[in-house]
Parts: sequence; C-alpha cells; structure tokens
Amino acid sequence: KAGVTQTPRYLIKTRGQQVTLSCSPISGHRSVSWYQQTPGQGLQFLFEYFSETQRNKGNFPGRFSGRQFSNSRSEMNVSTLELGDSALYLCASSLVAGGLYTEAFFGQGTRLTVV
Amino acid sequence: AQSVTQLDSQVPVFEEAPVELRCNYSSSVSVYLFWYVQYPNQGLQLLLKYLSGSTLVKGINGFEAEFNKSQTSFHLRKPSVHISDTAEYFCAVSRPNFGNEKLTFGTGTRLTIIP
Repeated sequence: KAGVTQTPRYLIKTRGQQVTLSCSPISGHRSVSWYQQTPGQGLQFLFEYFSETQRNKGNFPGRFSGRQFSNSRSEMNVSTLELGDSALYLCASSLVAGGLYTEAFFGQGTRLTVV
Repeated sequence: AQSVTQLDSQVPVFEEAPVELRCNYSSSVSVYLFWYVQYPNQGLQLLLKYLSGSTLVKGINGFEAEFNKSQTSFHLRKPSVHISDTAEYFCAVSRPNFGNEKLTFGTGTRLTIIP
C-alpha cells in the first residue's frame, strides 16, 4: 500500500512569491493534516482537513491556506513568502472510521527554502 | 489544552547500552500518546502508541514505552541501542475526540549513538 506522498520534495522560492505544496494521503484516509517543522519552533500544527472541510486550524497567519479535494488529496498554499517560512512542511493522513482515531502517517515532507 | 515536554534535547549513548528518552505531558482529560522517530531528511515514522489498555506498549525496532498516569509520563526505552537508532525522537499527545484528534508534539530529543 502506497504511503503518504508529498510533492515536490524540495523548493527554492524568492521572498514575496507564493508556493503550493501537494499531499496525496494513503488510499482510504480522509483526514489530512499539515505541520511546519523548523529548528527553532519544532513541529507546529498548521491545519487539518476532513472530507474537504477544514476541521482544525493552528496559529498561523492567513498567508497560510489549504484545501482538500474530493479524492482526499490536499494542497497547502503560502502567499507572500517570508524568509521565516523556510521549513520542512510535513503532511500526515489518518484513517478515521466510525469516529475512531488510529494514528497519523507522515509523508517525507517538502523542504521549502525562501531566499 | 494538552502539552508535551521532552526533558532532554540531546542524548548521547554508547552502542549496545540501554537508553531512556523522557516525555511528560499535561492534560486535564484522558489522552492518546505517541512516539515518532525522524531520520535525517525524512518524515516521521510511528514507533508506538498508547490509546488505551495495557500501560506497557511495545513498538517497532525494539522500543517500548510505559504510560504512567500518576506521573503524567510516557518515557521511551530500549535495552540495547544500535548505530541505526541515531535519529530525532518526538513524543506527541492528543485528546480523544471521536476521530477529530489533533497531535501536539514535543520539541524532540536527538539520540546519538556512540560506536
């Protein structure tokens, strides 16, 4: 069974640009969460989508947005990039069946560098 | 809200020696607890989880952890480490919420195995 796939693996962008990251969850998983990982702040929760609806949101500015499609694939967008947005962005998918949580499976991440 | 404290940011251990990575959580309600491992340039991989039942949880790669409710701890142990265990380890907590759980991560412990 294929794991969580994130594309691209690496990105270099210039300040002020915008970027879109993609995440394909494990087949059958309907919950997709995004995390930002930096050396200074560690792993911070961005948002979570379930059945195309944002269910949870972390404490990030409105420049960070996301969406989920009907096939559960998710995209994350960051507009007006700042140097501080340089980070590893991790996506995780979960199987939620009958309201029962199991665990989060993570992708390998997208390393974003803003110059 | 729940929180997680990983008391040691770095732990050096000689090969074949035992190791314990400490994790304490704070929550006013029942919790789910997880340990994840991250190898360089990789995403997170689940080592083990506590959802309910036996307080001693066995995971992959010879790791185990014990849920101690009175001490609000979930320390990770391995009786004999290998070079391949060199990685960063993250403790995470979530509050049971009928499939709408959100993970809160600790700051991580970097485990370095000394040959």
